[in-house]
Amino acid sequence: GQQLNQSPQSMFIQEGEDVSMNCTSSSIFNTWLWYKQDPGEGPVLLIALYKAGELTSNGRLTAQFGITRKDSFLNISASIPSDVGIYFCALPEETSGSRLTFGEGTQLTVNP
Amino acid sequence: DAGITQSPRHKVTETGTPVTLRCHQTENHRYMYWYRQDPGHGLRLIHYSYGVKDTDKGEVSDGYSVSRSKTEDFLLTLESATSSQTSVYFCAISETGSSLGYTFGSGTRLTVV
Repeated sequence: GQQLNQSPQSMFIQEGEDVSMNCTSSSIFNTWLWYKQDPGEGPVLLIALYKAGELTSNGRLTAQFGITRKDSFLNISASIPSDVGIYFCALPEETSGSRLTFGEGTQLTVNP
Repeated sequence: DAGITQSPRHKVTETGTPVTLRCHQTENHRYMYWYRQDPGHGLRLIHYSYGVKDTDKGEVSDGYSVSRSKTEDFLLTLESATSSQTSVYFCAISETGSSLGYTFGSGTRLTVV
């Protein structure tokens, strides 16, 4: 399967700060997905990207589909304590569109 | 999440014993998946199903088997549990496959001692 690298692995920030994380893949893809996992729960889809260069927002979250189609970025503006959790990027498998491969995740901690 | 239930939520078992985890959905979705989550590895696919009695292996299928005799239930069995299978297990469902994303259950925390 494809290699999917997500960074950073963890972030410790103060409330009100902006956050940026990214994922890179070894292959070109047509879809990038971003999930958030709250403590003790399953991941929930935040944003879906389907076009190179696409910039999509969901409240304070903004995600971009890289022009090269091999990377994606997620930005969180003016962080608040409830932003705490693990953020994952995900890609559909090359050979089977029904399966997703997930990045290793970015653990976000927000200090009040 | 509404529409997908995992049971049990927590389980402690001994090495060498068989264990079955259950995923139940009320959404009538075609696709169901089992993932495990471990620190530093994110979510890794164990097995998935694309219909009743239709299953396939994922990235980390060794030591696991699955069954899907009804649309709503997808069972994950650890034939002989090992300490390396201590993990959090997530079930997910999808109506159309991956491109629109999955809906995940709340997870089962399994500890093998």
